[in-house]
Amino acid sequence: QFVVTQPPSVSGTPGQTVTISCSGGSSNIGRNSVCWYQHVPGTAPKLLIYRNDQRPSGVPDRFSGSTTGSSATLAITGLLSEDEADYYCAVWDDGLSGRELFGGGTRLTVL
Amino acid sequence: QVQLQQSGPRLLKPSETLSLTCTVSGDSISRSYWGWVRQPPGKGLEWIGYFYFSGSTSYSPSLRSRVTIGVDTSKNHLSLNLTSATAADTAVYYCGRVLLGAMDVWGQGTTVTVSS
Repeated sequence: QFVVTQPPSVSGTPGQTVTISCSGGSSNIGRNSVCWYQHVPGTAPKLLIYRNDQRPSGVPDRFSGSTTGSSATLAITGLLSEDEADYYCAVWDDGLSGRELFGGGTRLTVL
Repeated sequence: QVQLQQSGPRLLKPSETLSLTCTVSGDSISRSYWGWVRQPPGKGLEWIGYFYFSGSTSYSPSLRSRVTIGVDTSKNHLSLNLTSATAADTAVYYCGRVLLGAMDVWGQGTTVTVSS
């Protein structure tokens, strides 16, 4: 059971827009910045979004992040087959002396 | 271009100490924050801990009693030690640089198996 919750899976067809939610609480998303990672099994995770909505250099603007209250959302527009991967949100939690929390991960399937 | 190269034993027996090294190139180990994350087979990413350039650390509550993250500035590398390993520590381990609250550069990953 994860303190920060993501749907286990989402799917879409090429060109569509998909969103992945990340639900937390007042000690994490409600007060700290969220980041998002893309993870293709067998490779190192890749940072997609930091500070809720900022993209590192080289990340396409098809990827965007947002937060509201204790939830965060990753949106992927113009879906490509290469977007098929696992996506994780991460956020610092101020409880239990502080810890970084990863969501359980969402598998994106491009149909 | 910042690169992280991981090294260390990939197979150890229960009760042994897991020790991994992450050698940094393109950045100074004493100028940033650094961290370790792992992924057990079939599961998601799990945070292990951070090392801050002040010398302080923060660790996962579930691992705090067994884990140590350190740096060797002369070798520009980050280390991870996890004592009393069990099969539950079998995972792919990643090191990373922490910048603006996120791990922006990652090592290639090391698959560690704990088995008798």
